[in-house]
Amino acid sequence: AQKVTQAQTEISVVEKEDVTLDCVYETRDTTYYLFWYKQPPSGELVFLIRRNSFDEQNEISGRYSWNFQKSTSSFNFTITASQVVDSAVYFCALSEENDAGNKLTFGGGTRVLVKP
Amino acid sequence: NAGVTQTPKFQVLKTGQSMTLQCAQDMNHEYMSWYRQDPGMGLRLIHYSVGAGITDQGEVPNGYNVSRSTTEDFPLRLLSAAPSQTSVYFCASRRRGDSNQPQHFGDGTRLSIL
Repeated sequence: AQKVTQAQTEISVVEKEDVTLDCVYETRDTTYYLFWYKQPPSGELVFLIRRNSFDEQNEISGRYSWNFQKSTSSFNFTITASQVVDSAVYFCALSEENDAGNKLTFGGGTRVLVKP
Repeated sequence: NAGVTQTPKFQVLKTGQSMTLQCAQDMNHEYMSWYRQDPGMGLRLIHYSVGAGITDQGEVPNGYNVSRSTTEDFPLRLLSAAPSQTSVYFCASRRRGDSNQPQHFGDGTRLSIL
C-alpha cells in the first residue's frame, strides 16, 4: 500500500529565511505521480507542482524549488526567502498509475509559520 | 468557470441526523472523489467515481454513501451523523486519461456533529 510521510508537523521561521519541507513516500509501483498542495488559512487547496516518477529533474519556480530523489523516495520542497504569505499547511501527495491517478494518498501536512 | 463547487460551506448537525453534501463540477471531468481532512492526518479518501453510474470505496467509507447519476454531480450522504464525522470535507475532480494531471478541489465543507 502507498504511504506518504511528512515528519515535520510544524516549522516556524522568520521572514527571509529558507525553509525545506520533507516528504518521504512508499509505493510498489514503478510509475507514480507526486504532488505538493498548499492550504492557506482560508482553507482551500492550491496545487503547486506534480512530478512523474520517471522525471527526476529538479524544478524551480520563483522562490519555490523541489528536489525529487527516487533513490531515497523523497520529494522535498524548499521555499527560499520566505514571506509571511507563505504561512500555510503544505501537503505532499502520491498517486499510483494503477489507480489511474484518481486516488491521492496525502501526508499529514507540515504547517509553516513565517513570522515578520 | 466555476470549477468544483461544494455546498454548504458550513453545517452543524446533531448526532443521528442525516444530510447530503453537494458537489458539482462544470469541467466535464470523469473522475470525482470525496476526501475528509482531520487534524494531523492529511486528507483521506472516502469514496470515488470514475464516471456516471460507477462508484467505489476509498480508505474510510463507513458511514457514508455516494451516487453518481450525472457526470456533473457527486453528492456525499451521511446516513446517521456521528461526532467522529466532524471534519472538513473536500470534493475533487479530474479528467480521465491523463494520470499526472492534478485533481481540482472544491473549497471544502466544514461539518460539525454535536
